[in-house]
Amino acid sequence: RKEVEQDPGPFNVPEGATVAFNCTYSNSASQSFFWYRQDCRKEPKLLMSVYSSGNEDGRFTAQLNRASQYISLLIRDSKLSDSATYLCVVPPTYNFNKFYFGSGTKLNVKP
Amino acid sequence: GAVVSQHPSWVICKSGTSVKIECRSLDFQATTMFWYRQFPKQSLMLMATSNEGSKATYEQGVEKDKFLINHASLTLSTLTVTSAHPEDSSFYICSARDLGRGDQPQHFGDGTRLSIL
Repeated sequence: RKEVEQDPGPFNVPEGATVAFNCTYSNSASQSFFWYRQDCRKEPKLLMSVYSSGNEDGRFTAQLNRASQYISLLIRDSKLSDSATYLCVVPPTYNFNKFYFGSGTKLNVKP
Repeated sequence: GAVVSQHPSWVICKSGTSVKIECRSLDFQATTMFWYRQFPKQSLMLMATSNEGSKATYEQGVEKDKFLINHASLTLSTLTVTSAHPEDSSFYICSARDLGRGDQPQHFGDGTRLSIL
């Protein structure tokens, strides 16, 4: 089993829609989780860090479900500019220098 | 916030040329920096972990003599692609973590797009 798994999508949604992505992780002891956004031909940019049950920043909400070992990213009122690939990242507890990246979930927001 | 600068952002050169890419943490110290490669429509692939003052740790399948890494200070790591060939054309991205801040996220440089003719 991979350390981090994501649904590659693409998720095609209309503007204004609410969309959620899930990311599952294999290490039950993981304590921190990150969502990055990567635009085409650009570097990943940190979107949100999650250290407890969840985090919220404007239209974006990340929720952690430790029992089922997944973390979700919810985007409300989708904008065209939200179109990107969203990467889930989980560092293992024994070595914070070895981050595991999901393969990314592609989101296309259409007018 | 943490800023990582990568230079150059775009390189086009002839086959056989060696190319050096710099990665700098601008407002924090990083004992560890990471080098990734990404081919079109594929995921980031970790190439190596660069540790200040010691040898880099390379991932399986990455040739250390082909991709030379030097991490001479807490704010600078370099990746040199030696004798580059067209198959080395890719998007190279570095990242760094803030020294001594526990489980903090990695911050990425802008990336270097390498095209070998």
